[in-house]
Amino acid sequence: EPEVTQTPSHQVTQMGQEVILRCVPISNHLYFYWYRQILGQKVEFLVSFYNNEISEKSEIFDDQFSVERPDGSNFTLKIRSTKLEDSAMYFCASSRNPIKIPSYNEQFFGPGTRLTVL
Amino acid sequence: DQQVKQNSPSLSVQEGRISILNCDYTNSMFDYFLWYKKYPAEGPTFLISISSIKDKNEDGRFTVFLNKSAKHLSLHIVPSQPGDSAVYFCAASGNGGSNYKLTFGKGTLLTVNP
Repeated sequence: EPEVTQTPSHQVTQMGQEVILRCVPISNHLYFYWYRQILGQKVEFLVSFYNNEISEKSEIFDDQFSVERPDGSNFTLKIRSTKLEDSAMYFCASSRNPIKIPSYNEQFFGPGTRLTVL
Repeated sequence: DQQVKQNSPSLSVQEGRISILNCDYTNSMFDYFLWYKKYPAEGPTFLISISSIKDKNEDGRFTVFLNKSAKHLSLHIVPSQPGDSAVYFCAASGNGGSNYKLTFGKGTLLTVNP
């Protein structure tokens, strides 16, 4: 069964450093998302991406964050200058095309990357 | 701003019995609802969903009920199995435009005892 994959599983970085989290969405999916979960808190939406551009972003997704689909398979989240409060589990998700059919908003999540900022 | 609320942080059930997980929402623009299951150190796994035009959706042991007037949904698991022990998240999304982001509840830890 196709699945979303993420690398690395765990990333440790120093405050102020740049990190890139990588995701390979399910191949026939057209909508891509990043979410994060700070320890003990809810899963929170960061950004959605469709047709090679950001579709929607939350207030968390400030100028320090960017997303890119550099080729036909990868989807990346870059944090330019990490802060202590960026420490969280970051989840990538993908879905088919909810524009056409609401059930196509069933989003499938990857296993996550645990980001630790020291 | 808790638009999706799961008021029970935990639930304990005997194997073979029914598990009922509840979720309330406040945003009347939500029109699609999903349940996810999550094990520690893994991503959320999609379980079942329901559109706001329906009041029930069933898939094997899992049934989701939606009461739009009460802004309430529930997930029933029958019969419950020890492997169902996990955190269950309710999520909702809005209609139209580009608003497909999921808004999650805080989750309910289900423990199914053998």
